[in-house]
Amino acid sequence: NAGVTQTPKFQVLKTGQSMTLQCAQDMNHEYMSWYRQDPGMGLRLIHYSVGAGITDQGEVPNGYNVSRSTTEDFPLRLLSAAPSQTSVYFCASSYAGGGNQPQHFGDGTRLSIL
Amino acid sequence: GQQLNQSPQSMFIQEGEDVSMNCTSSSIFNTWLWYKQDPGEGPVLLIALYKAGELTSNGRLTAQFGITRKDSFLNISASIPSDVGIYFCALNTDKLIFGTGTRLQVFP
Repeated sequence: NAGVTQTPKFQVLKTGQSMTLQCAQDMNHEYMSWYRQDPGMGLRLIHYSVGAGITDQGEVPNGYNVSRSTTEDFPLRLLSAAPSQTSVYFCASSYAGGGNQPQHFGDGTRLSIL
Repeated sequence: GQQLNQSPQSMFIQEGEDVSMNCTSSSIFNTWLWYKQDPGEGPVLLIALYKAGELTSNGRLTAQFGITRKDSFLNISASIPSDVGIYFCALNTDKLIFGTGTRLQVFP
């Protein structure tokens, strides 16, 4: 079972570059989300999706775009990378939104912006 | 936004000791969740609580949903080295909101 797969695992970018972080799940989950994790800040929600074709903003959406053209995939795009976006990014999925359904997390993408 | 305070920020304990951590919110919620994150991995759900006053165990872990519905506690008994990691509380709204985490170190 693959679960939630994130690629790449590591990436270094220069300021101003664009990039797409990939997230795929094979559990037929409707709900998918992106978090960033910074020291002392816990996990903060960037964007989420309750199903294909539907996305919404979380706590810290600025500088990021998402789309959900299929149930399986939920890519996160950095349009013009900034050093403040250096972080560890986690994708998660569940059958439905909210905490009643356990969220399954990927292993993260470690992103550094120089 | 929702305020979710988790304490302590970090704990350094000896193997065999018991551990206690807690989380408080500024509002009332219907579900409290506790996750653990091992180094280099994503968080994994440990315990879910759905009713005020509920006490739920998962092996050596016990979590309680506070009566006021604004707090929750996680206890780990007889800690072992593999308990090392970051423990997060989380709240259910229409999306999942995480606390800032408690980093646990266990020394042999």
